[in-house]
Amino acid sequence: QSVLTQPPSVSGAPGQRVTISCTGSSSNIGAGYDVHWYQQLPGTAPKLLIYANSNRPSGVPDRFSGSKSGTSASLAITGLQAEDEADYYCQSYDTSLSGVIFGGGTKLTVL
Amino acid sequence: QLQLQESGPGLVKPSETLSLTCTVSGGSISSSSYYWGWIRQPPGKGLEWIGSIYYSGSTYYNPSLKSRVTISVDTSKNQFSLRLSSVTAADTAVYYCARQRGWFGEGDYWGQETLVTVSS
Repeated sequence: QSVLTQPPSVSGAPGQRVTISCTGSSSNIGAGYDVHWYQQLPGTAPKLLIYANSNRPSGVPDRFSGSKSGTSASLAITGLQAEDEADYYCQSYDTSLSGVIFGGGTKLTVL
Repeated sequence: QLQLQESGPGLVKPSETLSLTCTVSGGSISSSSYYWGWIRQPPGKGLEWIGSIYYSGSTYYNPSLKSRVTISVDTSKNQFSLRLSSVTAADTAVYYCARQRGWFGEGDYWGQETLVTVSS
């Protein structure tokens, strides 16, 4: 059971917009700690997609965007492409656990 | 371009110690503002942070693994290492090393996946 809750799966057709939620609590996201997002293609290491809630590293398309509000954060992907099919993870810090925490991951299927 | 490369045995016996090393190339492990971390992923499951180290040797560990984990750094070799003692089948996972911006920050560079199986 992950401290950060993500939907197990989401899906969308090519060109559509999808969002992935990451729900935490007052000891992590709600306490003001940043949320980061990763994309993991099958058989590969996670790739940083969004850092500090809404910032994209160089080279990440602007189709990917992040936001944070209260005890939750969201990753939005617009103009869905087949290559976006992957697992997505959120990450933050938890003061009660005194450590880095990850969401359980969300599998994105492009229909 | 910064690169991280893990090395170590892919098979460890139960009750023994898992040892992995991450070699950093294309940059210095002594860079300020960056920590160096270990993350693992059991087959078919999510990511779990193991711990992080600064080039000075300061360490932060996942409390659930702290009693069994040691992370060390060798700046002369531009390497950092993970030791996980008293392993069981539950420690079977893909292990990643990564560069982190702050000890609980994001991992912006990751090594390739290294599967470690615990089995007799």
